[in-house]
Amino acid sequence: RKEVEQDPGPFNVPEGATVAFNCTYSNSASQSFFWYRQDCRKEPKLLMSVYSSGNEDGRFTAQLNRASQYISLLIRDSKLSDSATYLCVDLNYGQNFVFGPGTRLSVLP
Amino acid sequence: EPEVTQTPSHQVTQMGQEVILRCVPISNHLYFYWYRQILGQKVEFLVSFYNNEISEKSEIFDDQFSVERPDGSNFTLKIRSTKLEDSAMYFCASTPVGTYEQYFGPGTRLTVT
Repeated sequence: RKEVEQDPGPFNVPEGATVAFNCTYSNSASQSFFWYRQDCRKEPKLLMSVYSSGNEDGRFTAQLNRASQYISLLIRDSKLSDSATYLCVDLNYGQNFVFGPGTRLSVLP
Repeated sequence: EPEVTQTPSHQVTQMGQEVILRCVPISNHLYFYWYRQILGQKVEFLVSFYNNEISEKSEIFDDQFSVERPDGSNFTLKIRSTKLEDSAMYFCASTPVGTYEQYFGPGTRLTVT
């Protein structure tokens, strides 16, 4: 059974802080990963794709460590609007998504 | 910007009844999916659909469930004889050709009483 694990949090950080989440995956054959954010009772929204060693988009940086089978997400200069649950996703054999349970982030004023 | 849409936003049904959840994927997307999320739990894959047939399904997607693309735009999930434990948020998603990224609709909250 393919699993994705995340620290559920919550991570409570002040505005402007840098915060990092880790995610581990069990399927050593997995090639593609994603970070989604999910606001309370809303749909997952794509934040970033991670196909190779990493990806960067503005304040967000994702890194993939295949040897240790983990993916990280770094958020710099946190904003209040970054408060959400961050979902780590493994693309299972190029077909469906295997979601982690999510890490909850609260950015405090 | 095109979006996946889903109707209804909330469906309340009695145990044993059949429900049909509707989705309109983004128009040039060719891969479609259904996921569910029980309150407080993680998002779980149900089924993927491509070229008018199921390409993969999870162990959750048993004979109680079926999917259909009745016309060129709609993608439906039918749940027969609903059970209390079917209460969840059901998300539809679609993927364009050439990428693995999935775009999710706003979900249908199904409440079985």
